[in-house]
Amino acid sequence: AQKVTQAQTEISVVEKEDVTLDCVYETRDTTYYLFWYKQPPSGELVFLIRRNSFDEQNEISGRYSWNFQKSTSSFNFTITASQVVDSAVYFCALSRGWGGANNLFFGTGTRLTVIP
Amino acid sequence: DGGITQSPKYLFRKEGQNVTLSCEQNLNHDAMYWYRQDPGQGLRLIYYSQIVNDFQKGDIAEGYSVSREKKESFPLTVTSAQKNPTAFYLCASSQTAEAFFGQGTRLTVV
Repeated sequence: AQKVTQAQTEISVVEKEDVTLDCVYETRDTTYYLFWYKQPPSGELVFLIRRNSFDEQNEISGRYSWNFQKSTSSFNFTITASQVVDSAVYFCALSRGWGGANNLFFGTGTRLTVIP
Repeated sequence: DGGITQSPKYLFRKEGQNVTLSCEQNLNHDAMYWYRQDPGQGLRLIYYSQIVNDFQKGDIAEGYSVSREKKESFPLTVTSAQKNPTAFYLCASSQTAEAFFGQGTRLTVV
């Protein structure tokens, strides 16, 4: 069975601090995608990154970086020098195979509050 | 701008009434989806459609109905059979693995 666990329900940091959001997944599939989405107060989910199960290279995009480790079934997300605009709920998700959004399993989300 | 439009943003329904949530996309995506989000929970799939005139039940389809008469449109009807309809509803579309989401409709039963 597929499962995504985001153990951190809420995190508060002071602006300019670094913060890491944890994501642990379970799957028996050998082919899958992992995603991070951001949900700002306006409500829509904003796509941040997709990683396939064969690509364990870490990725950096500006202040965002992602660490994918199959050995620990983790796909953690780090924000460097956090800003108030980073305040949002962040969801990690797992997709079975190469399927579309009908195969997405979401974690329960981590609410990040960045205090000015 | 290309994207997904959900309307209305807020919707109030009396018990026993059916209501329809609108979702339109101009991304030319084949697949469209409806998710439900409850406080402190992840998203749960209600229905999805991978092609016009075809749709499939998701994990929590009971009390909901959909149609897909046009590629651009995937309306969701919350029927009176849905016992706990108060929630945030998100529509999404995809062409490959990434899903793109609308801004959501917050439905409240009064």
